Amino acid sequence: DAKTTQPTSMDCAEGRAANLPCNHSTISGNEYVYWYRQIHSQGPQYIIHGLKNNETNEMASLIITEDRKSSTLILPHATLRDTAVYYCIVSRSLNNNDMRFGAGTRLTVKP
Amino acid sequence: EAGVTQSPTHLIKTRGQQATLRCSPISGHTSVYWYQQALGLGLQFLLWYDEGEERNRGNFPPRFSGRQFPNYSSELNVNALELEDSALYLCASSLDRGSPLHFGNGTRLTVT
Repeated sequence: DAKTTQPTSMDCAEGRAANLPCNHSTISGNEYVYWYRQIHSQGPQYIIHGLKNNETNEMASLIITEDRKSSTLILPHATLRDTAVYYCIVSRSLNNNDMRFGAGTRLTVKP
Repeated sequence: EAGVTQSPTHLIKTRGQQATLRCSPISGHTSVYWYQQALGLGLQFLLWYDEGEERNRGNFPPRFSGRQFPNYSSELNVNALELEDSALYLCASSLDRGSPLHFGNGTRLTVT
């Protein structure tokens, strides 16, 4: 699986958009980009995933560059409850058992 | 819908003992995954069960084992516990091998 690189930590003001970057320069053509988050003392929560096109759901938007070497998760209006560790994962062929969670980005939303 | 449930929430064992952790997947989900999250470390893939069979395992010794029952619930057994087995053990389920993972809130195992 391709390796991902994420900033260790980020801050965001409450009500503003949070933009979390992820580099995956060695991603293969059949690998998807997944985002999960883990709020303290809870299990990880699925957010969104995509292959080539940008995706949006009720939680977030995923912007994937044309060369697919990087992506950005966007939380449009961050709240204090969005404070969590966010994991960017690339996984081939929607193959869950190959998912590798790295250290992620610790996002702190501040009032 | 009810989420993935894990029991017990906390478990304290002594070195050398055995621990049994349980997981009930979301109704209709046939795949169950186990992960270990040691303090300060990322999630490490342990085991994957699908349709009652072990399909893959991570880089863990054989004393980590498990099974999946006909109702798709699962058990993780850790034999001959060592201090470094202290961690949060997370179970996840998915509708199939390609669907997103849904995690429980884990069992925190402490080995003294």
